[in-house]
Amino acid sequence: GENVEQHPSTLSVQEGDSAVIKCTYSDSASNYFPWYKQELGKRPQLIIDIRSNVGEKKDQRIAVTLNKTAKHFSLHITETQPEDSAVYFCAAIRSGAGSYQLTFGKGTKLSVIP
Amino acid sequence: NAGVTQTPKFQVLKTGQSMTLQCAQDMNHNSMYWYRQDPGMGLRLIYYSASEGTTDKGEVPNGYNVSRLNKREFSLRLESAAPSQTSVYFCATLWATGTGELFFGEGSRLTVL
Repeated sequence: GENVEQHPSTLSVQEGDSAVIKCTYSDSASNYFPWYKQELGKRPQLIIDIRSNVGEKKDQRIAVTLNKTAKHFSLHITETQPEDSAVYFCAAIRSGAGSYQLTFGKGTKLSVIP
Repeated sequence: NAGVTQTPKFQVLKTGQSMTLQCAQDMNHNSMYWYRQDPGMGLRLIYYSASEGTTDKGEVPNGYNVSRLNKREFSLRLESAAPSQTSVYFCATLWATGTGELFFGEGSRLTVL
């Protein structure tokens, strides 16, 4: 089955700096890569995603890049703010013929220091 | 439009007791999931249901049973709770015909003494 490795497990940055979280996956058939943000005591919520036919996607201060050859994808947050402090999960999804196989990384706890 | 609703939000059990976590969605999604979340372990899939009438085991199914009662409801049952089942449980639905996004409930915090 799919295996998703996520690094680092914890990350501390100064407010205004950039943060990068990396994930690798093993199943070359995975074709959808979402990122979820989970604030303390809350549910995970989708913040950005990328499909296997796209190399990069950006949404304001957040961007995701995908390297299919190397089987890794990354989340980039620029100009970090205290409200970016949360746990971030990457996931790899293999879909086809109506079935979906989802695998999550173990999460990265991001702390933005004011 | 409530999305995904889980009950109860908090529960304390004694070892050996049983309970059922309820999940209901009004999003008309076919696929539903139960995850458990433990510190440092991320989200681990317990069971899922790709459509009404079907259920399948995930990564950590031992000690749990599920019922897909209808398209809206997917329940998780602990027959004989153990301290190792102390966790936060999330139900989720998948927007399969859209982006593939998972929509999570608010979570249920279960403590087994």
